[in-house]
Amino acid sequence: AQTVTQSQPEMSVQEAETVTLSCTYDTSENNYYLFWYKQPPSRQMILVIRQEAYKQQNATENRFSVNFQKAAKSFSLKISDSQLGDTAMYFCAFMSYSGAGSYQLTFGKGTKLSVIP
Amino acid sequence: DTGVSQDPRHKITKRGQNVTFRCDPISEHNRLYWYRQTLGQGPEFLTYFQNEAQLEKSRLLSDRFSAERPKGSFSTLEIQRTEQGDSAMYLCASSFPRDDPRPNEQFFGPGTRLTVL
Repeated sequence: AQTVTQSQPEMSVQEAETVTLSCTYDTSENNYYLFWYKQPPSRQMILVIRQEAYKQQNATENRFSVNFQKAAKSFSLKISDSQLGDTAMYFCAFMSYSGAGSYQLTFGKGTKLSVIP
Repeated sequence: DTGVSQDPRHKITKRGQNVTFRCDPISEHNRLYWYRQTLGQGPEFLTYFQNEAQLEKSRLLSDRFSAERPKGSFSTLEIQRTEQGDSAMYLCASSFPRDDPRPNEQFFGPGTRLTVL
């Protein structure tokens, strides 16, 4: 079974600064996907960024980038130029094919990020 | 694009009562997932549908839980004889068919928050 660990329950960052959220995972599989999802207060979860395990190049989406270290099973999220709207719970998630046709997500416990004006 | 919708958004019930939640996925999506999220935790997988077939169920899905997806469109999740431990946010997600080039992104609904008194 896969596990996802987010070791930082809460973090804060000054507006316009950079922050990095940590995530490690455990799996015996070779082909999988990794995701960061954002869940703003009382709002639905949205995808921030995804990474395919077979790609060595780190994914980037505007101000969001990841540092994917496959051997270390590490997948951190860097948010540059933090904005007030980035305040949210951030979940790291692992996805692999289960054999029954399911691509279920396994989530970490989340990191609550507060952006301070 | 109307997104994934869930109804109701909030449900308060007394212990022992039955409750039913509904999820309407994005119309082009043939895969549908239910997750449960308790306070301070990441979502946990409950069950998966491909079209109308329920192909996978988590061990979290006790006998009191049943899910259906008639005609492969909307889905319902029913909890019978609710217990206080069932209090949680129930999330629905949908995604494109497996052979779609879009890599397995799951789109989440706003969730149904269940409180069992």
